[in-house]
This record gives sequence, structure tokens and C-alpha cells, in this order.
Amino acid sequence: ETVLTQSPGTLSLSPGERATLSCRASQSVSSPYLAWYQHKPGQAPRLLIYGASSRATGIPDRFSASGSGTDFTLTISRLEPEDFALYYCHQYGRSPFTFGQGTKLEI
Amino acid sequence: EVQLVQSGAEVKKPGESLKISCKGSGYNFTTYWIGWVRQMPGKGLEWMGVIYPGDFKIRYSPSFRGQVTVSADTSISTAYLQWSNLKASDTAIYYCTKHAVPDPYFYQHMDVWGKGTTVTVSS
Repeated sequence: ETVLTQSPGTLSLSPGERATLSCRASQSVSSPYLAWYQHKPGQAPRLLIYGASSRATGIPDRFSASGSGTDFTLTISRLEPEDFALYYCHQYGRSPFTFGQGTKLEI
Repeated sequence: EVQLVQSGAEVKKPGESLKISCKGSGYNFTTYWIGWVRQMPGKGLEWMGVIYPGDFKIRYSPSFRGQVTVSADTSISTAYLQWSNLKASDTAIYYCTKHAVPDPYFYQHMDVWGKGTTVTVSS
């Protein structure tokens, strides 16, 4: 299966700063079928990005993503207080689908 | 509005059986894959399996094949996840999710998630 490794495990930043989250795959992600989700405790995960770089409906443009092959990046340009959460990358190009272990973005 | 409404929290004993549900609304239930993701306490997300209600085709992660059963009832737009012999290690939050595109093509991202069903298995 495709193992996704996210780094860093925890990212400590302040509102207004820029966040860069990384996701590395153990093998090339087809197409690329790579998504990013935001997850807050007690809530359903929220789709941010699909197709490696396409923002989902309603996602602010401070969220952007890029990458191909085995290396992918999620960038949040200016952190808002509500952005502090867990972030998961997810590949859906090979079965079984897999998730990274998550990056915790904390204040 | 597209929604996935999951059944409530469950507390069970090891060896018991369980079936949790996820009702889809606001979209054509039979044309979107719908599936399940596990989150064990303090851990990340794990993809378990999905079903295409249009033809009941099912795909499982090898980690969960034989451990759980995914099914659906199109007459009530509801998907299910069931266990026949629960273990303490099944304690987790289970999210149902739907794929983004109305198509039997399997390789799609998941766009809508339910709020999760907490399952606690303890003697």
C-alpha cells in the first residue's frame, strides 16, 4: 500500500504567519489523486484540496496546494485562528486508499 | 444540502455484534460511492472500505477485509458497517464518507463526511 508521511508532526505558528505542510508518498501517486483534509476535535473532517491542487467548494484562497509524484505541499498563506487544527493528506489513486498520520497545526 | 447522518454512540462487550448506519440525503444515493473511515483513540484516519449502491460493488482495505461488512439499503438511502464479533481494539470513531462524483469509477476523493459514530467495546 502507499504510505504517506507527513511533516512536521506538529507545527507551532501564530495567526498571520504562513504554514507549509508536507506529505511524501512511498510511491508515485497516480494522476495525482491527492487530497487534504482539515480535522477539528469533535467535528467531521473537511475537504480542503483534491487533485493535488484544486480547492474544494467554499475553501478560502489562503489555502493552496501543489505537488506531483511523491511530494506534495499544503500552504496556508496567512493563518486565521480557525485554521489551527489537524491536517491529513490522503491518496486515492491506488487501493487501498491511505491517509498520512497528520500534522497538528497549533498556536 | 448534502448530508450524511450517522447513528448514535454504542457501548458493547467483546464478542457482541453491531451494525452502525449512515443515512444519505440531498443527493442520489445510488450513484455515489459511500464508505467508512476509522479513527482509533489518539490516532489518525484509516480507510476501511466502500460500497457503490448502484450495483452493490464493494471494495475493502486488506486491513479490514473479513473483519467488518459494508452494506447498503437503497430503499432508505442508508449504508451500514457491521461486526459479528467485536473486540476491544474496535473501539474507535467511525466516519462515513461519500465520494465526490456520481460515477462507478472508484478512484475519487471523498467530499462529504458524517459526524462520526463512537463505538466503545469494553468488558
